Amino acid sequence: AQKITQTQPGMFVQEKEAVTLDCTYDTSDQSYGLFWYKQPSSGEMIFLIYQGSYDEQNATEGRYSLNFQKARKSANLVISASQLGDSAMYFCAMPTGFQKLVFGTGTRLLVSP
Amino acid sequence: DAGITQSPRYKITETGRQVTLMCHQTWSHSYMFWYRQDLGHGLRLIYYSAAADITDKGEVPDGYVVSRSKTENFPLTLESATRSQTSVYFCASRDSDSPLHFGNGTRLTVT
Repeated sequence: AQKITQTQPGMFVQEKEAVTLDCTYDTSDQSYGLFWYKQPSSGEMIFLIYQGSYDEQNATEGRYSLNFQKARKSANLVISASQLGDSAMYFCAMPTGFQKLVFGTGTRLLVSP
Repeated sequence: DAGITQSPRYKITETGRQVTLMCHQTWSHSYMFWYRQDLGHGLRLIYYSAAADITDKGEVPDGYVVSRSKTENFPLTLESATRSQTSVYFCASRDSDSPLHFGNGTRLTVT
């Protein structure tokens, strides 16, 4: 069964710096995808970025990019030029059949001025 | 507006009572899901549905019942609420080519 591991319960970064949030996964599927979601303190879940296992390039969405290393089974989220509004919980997730997603336990990011 | 709506946003109930959390989506997505979010566990899948009248258990289904008579609605019922069911509940939906779209969540407290 698919499994997602996020080993960083909390991360701190200063405003305008880059930060990497770790995500490792376990799957026996040849074709799969990885999702990242953001959950601000208001509670909603916001889709950030998606990477397909056969995508030739790492996914990028504005200041978000995915450092996808298939051999290491890692899909780390990189946030460039952090902003105060980036302070939130971040979840990594992957599909596990019937369009379900399995989630990691999340990383809380705090951006300081 | 298109989207996914959960109600109520907040609910306090007593142990042993039945409570139903509502979920309505306007995208006509085939797949709908109920997750619960607890500290240290991330989001765990309770039940999911692939289409109207097709539902199946997720990771933590005990104590919950779902139904899906219409594509757009996917209510979650706690038959006899327990304190361990105090949580934040998220309804979500998607189609094959879309990311998972979440409602704003229902914060349930069982006293």
